[in-house]
Amino acid sequence: KQEVTQIPAALSVPEGENLVLNCSFTDSAIYNLQWFRQDPGKGLTSLLLIQSSQREQTSGRLNASLDKSSGRSTLYIAASQPGDSATYLCAMEYGNKLVFGAGTILRVKS
Amino acid sequence: GAVVSQHPSRVICKSGTSVKIECRSLDFQATTMFWYRQFPKQSLMLMATSNEGSKATYEQGVEKDKFLINHASLTLSTLTVTSAHPEDSSFYICSGRRTGRPEAFFGQGTRLTVV
Repeated sequence: KQEVTQIPAALSVPEGENLVLNCSFTDSAIYNLQWFRQDPGKGLTSLLLIQSSQREQTSGRLNASLDKSSGRSTLYIAASQPGDSATYLCAMEYGNKLVFGAGTILRVKS
Repeated sequence: GAVVSQHPSRVICKSGTSVKIECRSLDFQATTMFWYRQFPKQSLMLMATSNEGSKATYEQGVEKDKFLINHASLTLSTLTVTSAHPEDSSFYICSGRRTGRPEAFFGQGTRLTVV
């Protein structure tokens, strides 16, 4: 069974701190990996997509890495801001389907 | 990025009635649409996948006669919850995808409450 696990489930940090969100997956036969942001009661906003042949992607203060051999991905957020507060979801694509983790709820305190 | 518009954002209905949720891709042709359900503080669970002009493929445990999915055009997919019950109350989200592209674009979600 393809499972995606995110750690920690929740995280509270002071503004300005650098932080790492973790995602692990059981089946390494992924097509790609995506990180999403979800604000309360809203849909998902795509942050970064890493194809299976890639190791990392960067966008602004965000950097995501993928290590298929260990079944892990990390999302690094630099210089966190209160506006970064949201739930962050990682998702693995298998075939034509996305399998999501349960998310990490991030709160950045000003 | 591409935009997927989902309506309504919130709906309250009585038990036994049906509710239709619409999902439109505004600036791209969504050859594939996905419908998800999300319970509070839980992840998204895929309900079904639909390709334009074809019948939807439902995930195990999802009742196809209860959750009717139509994908009649490249820009519109609908999910109809038939004979709704309180246990159908949830957050429903659609996602559209173009042929050959890995990116998935999500609607804003619909909060369904069945009373």
